[in-house]
Amino acid sequence: DAGVIQSPRHEVTEMGQEVTLRCKPISGHDYLFWYRQTMMRGLELLIYFNNNVPIDDSGMPEDRFSAKMPNASFSTLKIQPSEPRDSAVYFCASSLVVGNEQFFGPGTRLTVL
Amino acid sequence: AQSVTQPDIHITVSEGASLELRCNYSYGATPYLFWYVQSPGQGLQLLLKYFSGDTLVQGIKGFEAEFKRSQSSFNLRKPSVHWSDAAEYFCAVGGASKIIFGSGTRLSIRP
Repeated sequence: DAGVIQSPRHEVTEMGQEVTLRCKPISGHDYLFWYRQTMMRGLELLIYFNNNVPIDDSGMPEDRFSAKMPNASFSTLKIQPSEPRDSAVYFCASSLVVGNEQFFGPGTRLTVL
Repeated sequence: AQSVTQPDIHITVSEGASLELRCNYSYGATPYLFWYVQSPGQGLQLLLKYFSGDTLVQGIKGFEAEFKRSQSSFNLRKPSVHWSDAAEYFCAVGGASKIIFGSGTRLSIRP
């Protein structure tokens, strides 16, 4: 298996623009997680899905952030409009069981100017 | 409530020296425990995990960790560190609900 795939690896955009991050989980994994990592706040769980259904979105910082999982092999995290404080590395991870080992993608480094 | 504490933000050890990174957790049931490593510019990679059984678990890259229920600890150890071990290390606890990650310990290696 190729592991968790994220695209793009790097994204530079200007404030106010829409940003879409993409993730393909490991085939057969029922859980998908989105994290944000910054120096100031560390690793934060934003949202996670079970069988394509959002289970816990309490970590989503505000309404500008939205996430979808239209099928078992694809998820998106969208920021609209983007702000400089959204600059971070965004990780996607997947797992077979919710509290079990998670497999992380390489991350998307987002810079909002 | 679940929680994970990594009391050391940053540790520096000399190459060839032994290493111990501390992790304490709070969990209401039998925990699943994990150590992950993150090299600069990379995602998190699993080093080792504990679910049940032998409380001393072996992982990749020569790391091991010991589960001590009485101390609610799961410390990571390595007998002799290499310069390539410089990275951020995360302890995590899971089980019936989502995994909770600690804040991480940054390991620097002194030549």
